[in-house]
Order: sequence, then structure tokens, then C-alpha cells
Amino acid sequence: EVQLVESGGGLVQPGGSLRLSCAGSGFTFSNYWMSWVRQAPGKGLQWVANIRQDGSEKYYVDSVKGRFTISRDNAKNSLYLQMNSLRAEDAALYYCARSRGGNPFGAFDIWGQGTMVTVSS
Amino acid sequence: QSALTQPASVSGSPGQSITISCTGTSSDVGGSNYVSWYQQHPVKAPKLMIYEVSNRPSGVSNRFSGSKSASTAYLTISGLQAEDEADYYCSSYTNSGTFWVFGGGTRLTVL
Repeated sequence: EVQLVESGGGLVQPGGSLRLSCAGSGFTFSNYWMSWVRQAPGKGLQWVANIRQDGSEKYYVDSVKGRFTISRDNAKNSLYLQMNSLRAEDAALYYCARSRGGNPFGAFDIWGQGTMVTVSS
Repeated sequence: QSALTQPASVSGSPGQSITISCTGTSSDVGGSNYVSWYQQHPVKAPKLMIYEVSNRPSGVSNRFSGSKSASTAYLTISGLQAEDEADYYCSSYTNSGTFWVFGGGTRLTVL
């Protein structure tokens, strides 16, 4: 079964850090661009970042540039999101998602179940 | 405020057809064929319903169809069924530097 499983969410104080992980299985992880997409409680979806198959290209939404870092370890079939200097507005359910077709413009055809990040003092 | 504009809600009766619009600009929907639609049921992850404007992934009902005119994309659901009741989001590649943008979402109610 093709699936993505996120972990690492939790409660963190403003200004703190958190590292999210996403484990892929049932497909050749190294063949796909991967993304993080978040959803604040009761709100819509927001794309956060994506990364090329070999990690050589990375893109971010403006609001997280300089604070978040996306990375991957293809040997472990894993995607990561290092989040620093967290703000209240970063609180959300964070999904990892696969871009179909192996290209950066592929729609998100596989999603994880999400991991919740709460930012509060 | 979301980059793409969707109506907050639409409704229809079982068996009817509805259309959800998604309006962007020449930097995203108007200039891209990488427009997709997602269905999200409560406390569930989004599910891809349409990719590249009008293509359906394997397993998605042919009651779902997509189209685009200028800077507005459309999702049409025909023969509405109770299980179609969900939130629907459009998304597009954008050349404005953000890479991907989403609409604010549309809640579909099946009356």
C-alpha cells in the first residue's frame, strides 16, 4: 500500500523549534518531488515547501523562508521539515504530500494523515 | 486571504449537478495547465480529484470533471450523491515565486 506517515508534531513555545518527519512506503520514494502542506484549524490548505528528488532544489512559501528547512533522506524513504523561530500563525496540521509523475508540477496524489503543531506559551 | 478565489459554499440536491469556480490571475490559473482539485471530508486528508485542469486519477468517479477558461477553473460534479458532501480546494502552480497556491475552499452541501 502506498502511504505517507508523518510524525514529530507537538506543543512548542513561540520562538521554539520542531522537526517534522514523514516516512514513505509502497513506492520508490526517491523518484518523486515531495511537499509539506499545512492547514490551520478551521482554515484552508497552504503549501509550505517542496524538494526535488535528489534534494538539489527547494522552494518555500514566503512566510517561512529563513525559518523552515525542508530536507530528505532517500535511503530512509523520509522527508523532513525543520521549523525554527515558530510563531503562533505556524500552528496547523502539517501534511506531507507526493507530487505525481516525478515532476515538480505534479498534483499531490498521495497525502499523509498529518501531524499537529501547536505554538503557544 | 487566499491566492485563488472560490465561493465559500455551494449546495445541490441528489442527482443534480453543481459547479465550483476557482479564480486566479495570469500568474497562476490563467498561465498554467497545472490546476488541480482536492476533496476533503471532515478530519480526513485531502484527496486528489482532478489534475492538470481536466484529468481524473484512476479510481475517481467520472461524475467529477474539470475545465478552465482564462483565469478561472471549474470543478463540476454531476449526479450529486450524499458522499460528495465535503470541502473542495483548487490549486495551481504559480510563477510568482510561491510555486503552489490554493483556493480558500468551498463547502459543498448535498441537500
